[in-house]
This record gives sequence, structure tokens and C-alpha cells, in this order.
Amino acid sequence: NAGVTQTPKFQVLKTGQSMTLQCAQDMNHNSMYWYRQDPGMGLRLIYYSASEGTTDKGEVPNGYNVSRLNKREFSLRLESAAPSQTSVYFCASSVQTGPSYEQYFGPGTRLTVT
Amino acid sequence: KNQVEQSPQSLIILEGKNCTLQCNYTVSPFSNLRWYKQDTGRGPVSLTIMTFSENTKSNGRYTATLDADTKQSSLHITASQLSDSASYICVVREGQAGTALIFGKGTTLSVSS
Repeated sequence: NAGVTQTPKFQVLKTGQSMTLQCAQDMNHNSMYWYRQDPGMGLRLIYYSASEGTTDKGEVPNGYNVSRLNKREFSLRLESAAPSQTSVYFCASSVQTGPSYEQYFGPGTRLTVT
Repeated sequence: KNQVEQSPQSLIILEGKNCTLQCNYTVSPFSNLRWYKQDTGRGPVSLTIMTFSENTKSNGRYTATLDADTKQSSLHITASQLSDSASYICVVREGQAGTALIFGKGTTLSVSS
């Protein structure tokens, strides 16, 4: 099992460009999440999908959109990238969203917006 | 405001030594507390999850403690190894509904030979 995989690993964008970050999990988990990690800050939730067909905003959703393509895949889209979106993005998954369920993280995508 | 504070911010120890990392939280209502290890360039990996009723939980050389009354947790690493060099993140799960995980900023541990 690969667990949670993310592509690409690195990306450089110019301000105003768009891109989609891809995430896939092979653990048959129902719930998936997108986080961003900035220097000197804890991880912050951008969006999550409790189950296939549903998505909800997290703490910092502005400037992002998501798509739960199927049970395995959850993508994050930046429509018009801004320098403030320079960050490391992590995808995670869990069996359910309940409090006792562990979240498993992918290796991250390091995004720089110039 | 729900917060998770970790100390120290960074720590350097010699291989073979023990160390203790601290976590204080103000999250309410409390559901559980987790410690994650994050190697450079990797995603966080869970070490322990502790609920309100658990005082101590071990995972190999890692032992986490929780005092729910004082809202404090610690992570003790015994006989440190070079591979323990990483960021250790304390995370508190808020309440029962939703997905609210409150992440600390992490403690960066460097183990030198």
C-alpha cells in the first residue's frame, strides 16, 4: 500500500496562474483533508471531504477550491495563485471524521508563488 | 481561543540522552491529544493518541503523558537516536463534531553524535 500520495512534490507558479494539486489514497478511507503548513505556524485545515460527494470548508478556504473526484482522490485547485499561498500543502485521509480516527498524511507539495 | 503551545521551540541533544517536550493547550471541549513526528520534507506521522482518561501512553522509546486537569502533555524520548531528529507536533482534537484538529507549531529536535 502506498498510503497517501500527492503530486507534484514541488511547483513554482507566477502570480495569477492556476494549478491543481492531486491527492490519492489506497486505504479505502471515507474522509480526506487538505492542510497548509507555513513557517512558524501549525498546520491549518483548508477543506475536507467527510465522504465521497461531500466537501466542507476548513479554517482557511479562501482562494481554494476542491473536488472529491471519487473515494480515492481529492484535488485542491488554486484558480489565481497569490504569493500568500506559498506554502507546503498536505493531504490526509482517515476512515471517518470522528474524533477517534487517525489521520494519515501524504508527503506534501511545496508550492512557491512568485 | 483554542490554542496549543509547545516548548521548547527547538532542542539539541546528544545521541543516547533523554529529553522531554512540553505541550499546553486551552482547547475546549477536549476530545483527545495526539503527538506526531514530522521528518524534514515529509508529512506528519502519528506517535500516540490519548483520550481524557489516559495518563500515559508509550510507543517504543516515546512516552506521552497527559494531565487533563492542568491541560498539559509531555512527550519523553528515551535513549535518543540520530533518527529522532525531527519536528514533534502536539495536536488537540476539539469536541466531538466536525474535524477540528488544533495543531501546535512543533518542537524541532536535533540529535547529534
